[in-house]
Amino acid sequence: GDSVTQMEGPVTLSEEAFLTINCTYTATGYPSLFWYVQYPGEGLQLLLKATKADDKGSNKGFEATYRKETTSFHLEKGSVQVSDSAVYFCALSYTTGTASKLTFGTGTRLQVTL
Amino acid sequence: NAGVTQTPKFRVLKTGQSMTLLCAQDMNHEYMYWYRQDPGMGLRLIHYSVGEGTTAKGEVPDGYNVSRLKKQNFLLGLESAAPSQTSVYFCASRTRGLRGDTQYFGPGTRLTVL
Repeated sequence: GDSVTQMEGPVTLSEEAFLTINCTYTATGYPSLFWYVQYPGEGLQLLLKATKADDKGSNKGFEATYRKETTSFHLEKGSVQVSDSAVYFCALSYTTGTASKLTFGTGTRLQVTL
Repeated sequence: NAGVTQTPKFRVLKTGQSMTLLCAQDMNHEYMYWYRQDPGMGLRLIHYSVGEGTTAKGEVPDGYNVSRLKKQNFLLGLESAAPSQTSVYFCASRTRGLRGDTQYFGPGTRLTVL
């Protein structure tokens, strides 16, 4: 079946450091790919998405590119802030046949310090 | 426009007790989902619904029942709670059809079963 694998955390960075969170997936078809973010005590929010190969999703300085050849969707940000401290989830879904169910990775906790 | 709301926010149960979690959305979404979040396991789908009066099993449905009598509400029931059901429960909703459409999440319900 489909699955998503994320790098284990926690990831601890100093403010203004470069961030990469790795995500790879196994899928039988051509899913859409997502990054969701969960701030402490809150639900998940969509951070960015990509719906086909070579698409780049971007939002709030974060970006990720849908790489079909390496089945990856790595999250990057050039300069992190303390306010980026959160748990980041990579996920995939299909539009048809599966009621658009999301399959999540286990999440990566990011902690940014001054 | 409140988005997705969940009731209650916190609950403590004793083993064998029953309870119902309520999810409500005001976005006229067709699809609704219940997830549980456990440390190191990401989010796992319990049940979902593709429309009023329909429900289907997700990845981890045992011990839970659901109902979708109204389009805007999706109820998750625990008939006889067990300590293994201690978790944070999230509801989500989305519109039907378009590739890559976002799931919107509620703030979560933290349930402890003693």
